[in-house]
Amino acid sequence: EVQLVESGGGLVQPGGSLRLSCAASGFTFSHYWMSWVRQAPGKGLEWVANIKEDGSEKDYVDSVKGRFTISRDNAKNSLYLQMNSLRVEDTAIYYCARSRISVAGRPCDYWGQGTLVTVSS
Amino acid sequence: DIQMTQSPSSLSASVGDRVTITCRASQSISTILNWYQHKPGKAPKLLIYGASSLQSGVPSRFSGSGSGTDFTLTISSLQPEDFATYYCQQSYSTPRTFGQGTKLEIK
Repeated sequence: EVQLVESGGGLVQPGGSLRLSCAASGFTFSHYWMSWVRQAPGKGLEWVANIKEDGSEKDYVDSVKGRFTISRDNAKNSLYLQMNSLRVEDTAIYYCARSRISVAGRPCDYWGQGTLVTVSS
Repeated sequence: DIQMTQSPSSLSASVGDRVTITCRASQSISTILNWYQHKPGKAPKLLIYGASSLQSGVPSRFSGSGSGTDFTLTISSLQPEDFATYYCQQSYSTPRTFGQGTKLEIK
């Protein structure tokens, strides 16, 4: 069974940092692109970043470029999101998601339950 | 960035109704369009990918169509478990933008 379990969320002050983790199991992690998607309170889904199977390609939404870094450790079956210079508007539930192999556009076919990040003073 | 616009933003319907949600892209995205269902406190669920391909395990009452800039998600006969928020997403280019969502409520 595919499982994605996020952790690392919490309350942080503006300007602070957090590192989110996503533990993957039930599939060969190193074969899949992975993504982070977030949902701010009362808002819709927002794609944040993705990373290629081997970590050689990374993409970000403009609002987090230069502040967030996506990474992965295939030996540990883990995905990460290092979030620096956090802003109030980064407050959201952050979801880890797996992308389907061999499908154009690589849709996200499995998602975790999410971890809440609250940025507030 | 490609903008995705869904309509309506909310919809009230009854069990057994046929429902259609539309999604428009600000530029052509071929058929690189996905639909997700999201319930509060749950993980989003992939329903349709490639505009019209049904994800494994998704009931056949869900269907998708369209290409280029205009797409639709249809639920042929609403079931109680279908009341949720639905999002389209383009994965044609980065950033992989979502529509604003359509909240489907019980009438």
